[in-house]
Amino acid sequence: AQSVAQPEDQVNVAEGNPLTVKCTYSVSGNPYLFWYVQYPNRGLQFLLKYITGDNLVKGSYGFEAEFNKSQTSFHLKKPSALVSDSALYFCAVREWGGKLIFGQGTELSVKP
Amino acid sequence: GAVVSQHPSRVICKSGTSVKIECRSLDFQATTMFWYRQFPKKSLMLMATSNEGSKATYEQGVEKDKFLINHASLTLSTLTVTSAHPEDSSFYICSARGKAGGLAGALGEQFFGPGTRLTVL
Repeated sequence: AQSVAQPEDQVNVAEGNPLTVKCTYSVSGNPYLFWYVQYPNRGLQFLLKYITGDNLVKGSYGFEAEFNKSQTSFHLKKPSALVSDSALYFCAVREWGGKLIFGQGTELSVKP
Repeated sequence: GAVVSQHPSRVICKSGTSVKIECRSLDFQATTMFWYRQFPKKSLMLMATSNEGSKATYEQGVEKDKFLINHASLTLSTLTVTSAHPEDSSFYICSARGKAGGLAGALGEQFFGPGTRLTVL
């Protein structure tokens, strides 16, 4: 079965510093990987996805993610964090049939 | 991008009553809709998958007689929580997926609604 894991429940970063939110995956075959962000009491917003091609994927709001096949990782990154980036972040893998399997979520807190 | 709406955004009801939540795809035809449940600061739990015009497929452990899902058209799916109890209080999120390509996105991506906060007293 496909799965993703987010090893950190919370990540704290100072504004202006780079941020990384970690995700590892376990899939059979080629993975379709996604990152979503959720603000309080809101639905999920799509940030970026990896289907195939370049290992470095650029997404919305200045976020990017690096697909690393040897380490089975798909970490989300941003060079300079903003206070407004504070939210809950989910990594997900798409199963055959279209179901999304989500990680546990990582709460990102960016302090001024 | 494609837009999915949910109504209501928030509902408070008494124990024993039924509550209906609507999920609409506003600018594309949703061949498949998904219903998720989310507890505070926790991951999304897929409850069921519904395809237009057919019965929903429920995930293991989800009571289909309690959580009734209808996907009567390509733009509307409803989730009815029957005889709601306080333990059903949660944040319910739907997502919709259209055919691959076009406004619904490549590879039939899922687009999420804003969620519905259900509180059962």
